[in-house]
Amino acid sequence: DTAVSQTPKYLVTQMGNDKSIKCEQNLGHDTMYWYKQDSKKFLKIMFSYNNKELIINETVPNRFSPKSPDKAHLNLHINSLELGDSAVYFCASSQVWEQFFGPGTRLTVL
Amino acid sequence: DAKTTQPPSMDCAEGRAANLPCNHSTISGNEYVYWYRQIHSQGPQYIIHGLKNNETNEMASLIITEDRKSSTLILPHATLRDTAVYYCIVRVAGGDDKIIFGKGTRLHILP
Repeated sequence: DTAVSQTPKYLVTQMGNDKSIKCEQNLGHDTMYWYKQDSKKFLKIMFSYNNKELIINETVPNRFSPKSPDKAHLNLHINSLELGDSAVYFCASSQVWEQFFGPGTRLTVL
Repeated sequence: DAKTTQPPSMDCAEGRAANLPCNHSTISGNEYVYWYRQIHSQGPQYIIHGLKNNETNEMASLIITEDRKSSTLILPHATLRDTAVYYCIVRVAGGDDKIIFGKGTRLHILP
């Protein structure tokens, strides 16, 4: 049973394109997150949603727009992709003590 | 910025105890010490957390100094599958706030 799942696992695209990454959790958690891990392996928070409402936005460019259709899903849409967007994107959900992370989506912008 | 300092890398022989140190000298009274690890190409995985008492679970033990300015994560019998980057994090209790990851310690388990 997959707790936090992401699709796709790999995404290769051209600069300027628009793409989406989907995330689903079956843990019944109210809070979900998006993190970005760049080529230097730094893992940074991007967004956090609690029960479909945005609660954290860490100065991410407007080209990134999270969408939470329900509390089990938090999707990430990226417009006008740039080379610097190449990274691994992790979705997570949380209960009181720990965050559960998805397997990651490796985005490569050419 | 991360409020913790960890050595960038460590080696440990397979079967021995791996002791990973962490300094968090500016920790606040309401902040917990958490440990996560990231095995290559996977998402981070929660290991353990504690406030001031030592903690143990099926994965590891956490030893926190009396002044709470440092802690040690202990993997009692390290295996090759424990090779990963280990992150020490301080954060307020509760599930809604973000985790600020530092650079972590890259632990190599040697056969």
